[in-house]
Amino acid sequence: QVQLVESGGGVVQPGRSLRLSCAASGLTFSDNGMHWVRQAPGKGLECVAVISHDGRDQYYADSVKGRFTISRDNSKNTLYLQVNSLRVEDTAVYYCANGPPLRFGGQGTLVTVSS
Amino acid sequence: DIVMTQSPDSLAVSLGERATVSCKSSQSVLYGSNNKNYLAWYQQKPGQPPKLLIYWASTRESGVPDRFSGSGSGTGFTLTISSLQAEDVAVYYCQQYYSTPGTFGQGTRVEIK
Repeated sequence: QVQLVESGGGVVQPGRSLRLSCAASGLTFSDNGMHWVRQAPGKGLECVAVISHDGRDQYYADSVKGRFTISRDNSKNTLYLQVNSLRVEDTAVYYCANGPPLRFGGQGTLVTVSS
Repeated sequence: DIVMTQSPDSLAVSLGERATVSCKSSQSVLYGSNNKNYLAWYQQKPGQPPKLLIYWASTRESGVPDRFSGSGSGTGFTLTISSLQAEDVAVYYCQQYYSTPGTFGQGTRVEIK
C-alpha cells in the first residue's frame, strides 16, 4: 500500500521559510511524477508544484512561482518543497501525491502563516 | 490554464437516490492520439485527504464501489452516484491532467436530504 507521509509544517511569520518533506513507501518512487497540492482552510484544492520522475522538469502555479521550489531525492524516496517568502495566503494543508491521476497517501502538513 | 467548473456547488439527495455532479472544462481534455480523456474525480471527506475515485473519465479506481460511475468526453463530464449511501457524504472534485499543473474544479458538496 502506498504511503506518503508529509512533515515540516508549522506556524511561521510572513516572509519566513519552511521546508516540507514527503516520505514515500509502497511504490517505485523514481518511476513517479510527484505533486504538492494545497488546501486553504475551508477552500478547494490547488496544485502548486509538480516534478517529473527524474527531477529534470518542474512546474509551478503562478501563485507560488519564484517563492517555492520542488525537489526530490530518489535515493531517499523523499519529495521536498522549499517555501520561501511566505504570505498569509499560503496558509493551508499541504499534501503530496503521486501521479497523475493523483493518489494521496497522507494526512498532509499544516502551514500557518501569521504575524 | 484550463479552467474547470463544477455544478452545482452543493446538492442534497435522499438515501438510495441518484446524485449527479457535472464538470466542464474550458478546453477539451481529450487527447487525440490515444482517445483518452485526462479527467479524474476525487472524493474528500472532512479531515481526510482527497481519494481518487475515477480516472480517464470513466475508469474506477480499485476498491471504489460500483455505484460510482463517470461519463463524458471532451469538455463535459459527469460523476454519478447511483444510490447514495450515508458514507458518500463528502466534497467531490474533478481535475484535468491534460496539461500541467492539473487544475481542479471548485468542488461539489453532497449531503443527505
